[in-house]
Amino acid sequence: EDQVTQSPEALRLQEGESSSLNCSYTVSGLRGLFWYRQDPGKGPEFLFTLYSAGEEKEKERLKATLTKKESFLHITAPKPEDSATYLCAVLARGSWGKLQFGAGTQVVVTP
Amino acid sequence: DTAVSQTPKYLVTQMGNDKSIKCEQNLGHDTMYWYKQDSKKFLKIMFSYNNKELIINETVPNRFSPKSPDKAHLNLHINSLELGDSAVYFCASSRERGETDTQYFGPGTRLTVL
Repeated sequence: EDQVTQSPEALRLQEGESSSLNCSYTVSGLRGLFWYRQDPGKGPEFLFTLYSAGEEKEKERLKATLTKKESFLHITAPKPEDSATYLCAVLARGSWGKLQFGAGTQVVVTP
Repeated sequence: DTAVSQTPKYLVTQMGNDKSIKCEQNLGHDTMYWYKQDSKKFLKIMFSYNNKELIINETVPNRFSPKSPDKAHLNLHINSLELGDSAVYFCASSRERGETDTQYFGPGTRLTVL
């Protein structure tokens, strides 16, 4: 059965302290891996899509990478406004849009 | 300006009532979805419509019935509400129903059943 596991569950960082979030997946034929950011009381906000192993995408202080078994979201020199829950989701072959989400990593960045 | 919108944002109701949540997207997308986020923040798909046709129907009680009057709207009607239905419901849309299309989410509707 397809599975998406995110770690750690929660992460507390000092401003400027870089770190990485992990998303490991087991799917039968990955078609896309998605990273979203969710702020309290709001809907998931799209960040990146990765389609194949070796692919990398960057946006401001965030960089997402993908291997055949996992994806990392690297946060470089985070700021307090980077505090959010980061969600990873996958689309598998034959899923036709059925996104399967991980439980998320809650990131808190303190000044 | 809003891409995917939902109404209402909050819904508080008594057990046994019937309620509806509305969703609209102005992105010109062909496919729309309903997701449920439970108290543990886990997001799970419920339904998906492509051009008004139901294409994903997960194991959801038949008290939940989606309706798509046109491809820009997808409503969720819930009959005989139960305590366990309390959750945040998110609508999403994507350009097509393909396996690689990015889904864009609405702001959510927090349903509380008393």
